[in-house]
Amino acid sequence: GAGVSQSPSNKVTEKGKDVELRCDPISGHTALYWYRQSLGQGLEFLIYFQGNSAPDKSGLPSDRFSAERTGGSVSTLTIQRTQQEDSAVYLCASSRGLMADTQYFGPGTRLTVL
Amino acid sequence: AQSVTQLDSHVSVSEGTPVLLRCNYSSSYSPSLFWYVQHPNKGLQLLLKYTSAATLVKGINGFEAEFKKSETSFHLTKPSAHMSDAAEYFCVVSDFTGGGNKLTFGTGTQLKVEL
Repeated sequence: GAGVSQSPSNKVTEKGKDVELRCDPISGHTALYWYRQSLGQGLEFLIYFQGNSAPDKSGLPSDRFSAERTGGSVSTLTIQRTQQEDSAVYLCASSRGLMADTQYFGPGTRLTVL
Repeated sequence: AQSVTQLDSHVSVSEGTPVLLRCNYSSSYSPSLFWYVQHPNKGLQLLLKYTSAATLVKGINGFEAEFKKSETSFHLTKPSAHMSDAAEYFCVVSDFTGGGNKLTFGTGTQLKVEL
C-alpha cells in the first residue's frame, strides 16, 4: 500500500518568507509526527497529533513554527519568517496510534533558506 | 528523560565480515528501543524494535540486536556485511511522556562497507 508522502521534496526560500510543508500519512493511521533532521541538531521531535486530541507541541523550537492536521489526516507544518537555521530535512511519520507502534517515515522535505 | 548514545560515528568493515554498531540507552522505565536505517537520499526504515518481549530481536536484512538491561545496551549486529548495508543507522528510544510515542534519536553511525 501507499506509504507516507510529503511535498514538496525540496523547497528553497528566502530568509523572512513563510513556507508550508505537507504530509499525507498512511490511510487509517491516527498518529502523526513531525521531526527535523539537521546537521547541527541531528534528528529531533517537533510535534505530535493523535486523533482529535490536542497536539503535543513540546518540540517546536519557536513560535514561528506551527502545524495543523485537518480531518485527522493530512498535516501541514508552517514556518513563518524563515531563518537560515531552519534549513533542514523535515520528516513526517505516522503510526496506528498504539503505544510503541512502529512509526513509518516519509521521504522528507529538504528546506533550504537562503 | 530518555536518551541513547551511539558510541561510534563511523564504522568501516569489509564485505563478508561481521558488523557491530553500538548503542547505550538511558531510561527511567522499561524502554522501547528501535534501530532505523537511512540510505542516502532515502527515508528512514525500521530495522527492528524491542518492546520488552524477547531480549534478542531479529530484524530485516539479517540484522539483530540484543537488549541487555544490566549493561543498558542495545547493540546492532549482522554476521556478514553486504555492500548494500552501507548507510546511516540510528538507535532510537521511545519517550511516552505526554501520551505520545515521541522518538529520541541517537546521533547516528555511518556504516561503510568495503570490498
